[in-house]
Amino acid sequence: EAGVAQSPRYKIIEKRQSVAFWCNPISGHATLYWYQQILGQGPKLLIQFQNNGVVDDSQLPKDRFSAERLKGVDSTLKIQPAKLEDSAVYLCASSLDGYYGYTFGSGTRLTVV
Amino acid sequence: DAKTTQPTSMDCAEGRAANLPCNHSTISGNEYVYWYRQIHSQGPQYIIHGLKNNETNEMASLIITEDRKSSTLILPHATLRDTAVYYCIVAVSTLGRLYFGRGTQLTVWP
Repeated sequence: EAGVAQSPRYKIIEKRQSVAFWCNPISGHATLYWYQQILGQGPKLLIQFQNNGVVDDSQLPKDRFSAERLKGVDSTLKIQPAKLEDSAVYLCASSLDGYYGYTFGSGTRLTVV
Repeated sequence: DAKTTQPTSMDCAEGRAANLPCNHSTISGNEYVYWYRQIHSQGPQYIIHGLKNNETNEMASLIITEDRKSSTLILPHATLRDTAVYYCIVAVSTLGRLYFGRGTQLTVWP
């Protein structure tokens, strides 16, 4: 089966600019997650979707980050405006039923200069 | 916050067994122990999980102590491709949030 697709693979922007990341989960996976991984740390959950509804966005900095999942399939994560501390890898993951764990994409590496 | 404690790094000779420990002394009765690994420049990969019985799959074995306060992930014949950061996570299920700590950097040397 095809994995979780993410794009772009890399992105470099200046601070105060905006950026968007795209994720296509595994077909049929109802649950989708966005994680942020800062260099040297483990991934941190930003937001969880169940179909196209938000289940948990308690760790999402809502003043600058937004995410949507239209039609319960693809998802986009946006940062506007970006700060230097947003430099990280943004990982998307999906899950069918949670029992056997998530499947992660390869992530988007964001560098804010 | 992460509810597990793991060594920062370990190393292992190729072909030998790699035994990665994890302490989770505050684990609740309905929480599972999950193991993921992350190879450089890739997303984390699910390895195995268990509740209280030992588990084995094609990738690894998971040994959970009787009191469930600690566990060990065993890679029976480590290869160079097993070099990665290994995360031990406790969670009721993966439908909710997974807390990743800093994990253990395992280096397999030839």
